[in-house]
Amino acid sequence: NFILTQPHSVSESPGKTVTISCTRSSGTITSNFVQWYQQRPGSSPTTVIYNDNRRPSGVPDRFSGSIDRSSNSASLTISGLQTEDEADYFCQSYATNYRVFGGGTKLTVL
Amino acid sequence: QVRLQESGPGLLKPSETLSLTCSVSGGSLNNNYWSWIRQSPGKGPEWIGEVFSSGTTHYNPSLESRVSISVDVPKNQFSLKLKSLTAEDTAMYYCATEDGGRWWAFDIWGQGTMVTVS
Repeated sequence: NFILTQPHSVSESPGKTVTISCTRSSGTITSNFVQWYQQRPGSSPTTVIYNDNRRPSGVPDRFSGSIDRSSNSASLTISGLQTEDEADYFCQSYATNYRVFGGGTKLTVL
Repeated sequence: QVRLQESGPGLLKPSETLSLTCSVSGGSLNNNYWSWIRQSPGKGPEWIGEVFSSGTTHYNPSLESRVSISVDVPKNQFSLKLKSLTAEDTAMYYCATEDGGRWWAFDIWGQGTMVTVS
């Protein structure tokens, strides 16, 4: 089974754009959909991106997802950063009878 | 909208067995996958395993020898048992499920229950 690797932390200023990567260790990133979850302190995770690049209703269009075959990775991009975006972000994918999460990225908006 | 609520003991001793229940409200357990996920402090979530409404189960290979997940459709709940606990099993335990047929995702989460092994 594969693992998903994310940077431990990223930081950016309000109004800027930040991108968080999620690299798959084996197998191709396009084989299985990637989801992204936001988790604020003391709360359960919520979905911000599903199926690589789809946004659930209620998630601002400042959030977008993409896939890069050359680096075998998925990315979450947040534009027009707001202080409320400060949170942990996890990617997640799957294989047959197996689900896997990335280790998470702490986003600081300063 | 389906809601999930975990319940079970918060403090256990090493070598004991953890038993948690997830109560489902606002919908039926039929035709869905129901998962248990845990998260140690400061770490990413770890998928423990899942049960389908038929009773079919799949487990994380790293925990498979110690874990059992079952479903009780009439009671609208599903359960987790994890045996031979160690301090490394200390974590927030969540139940979660998919929405809209996306069996590969976790759209609905419970609020979580903290389990400490000490």
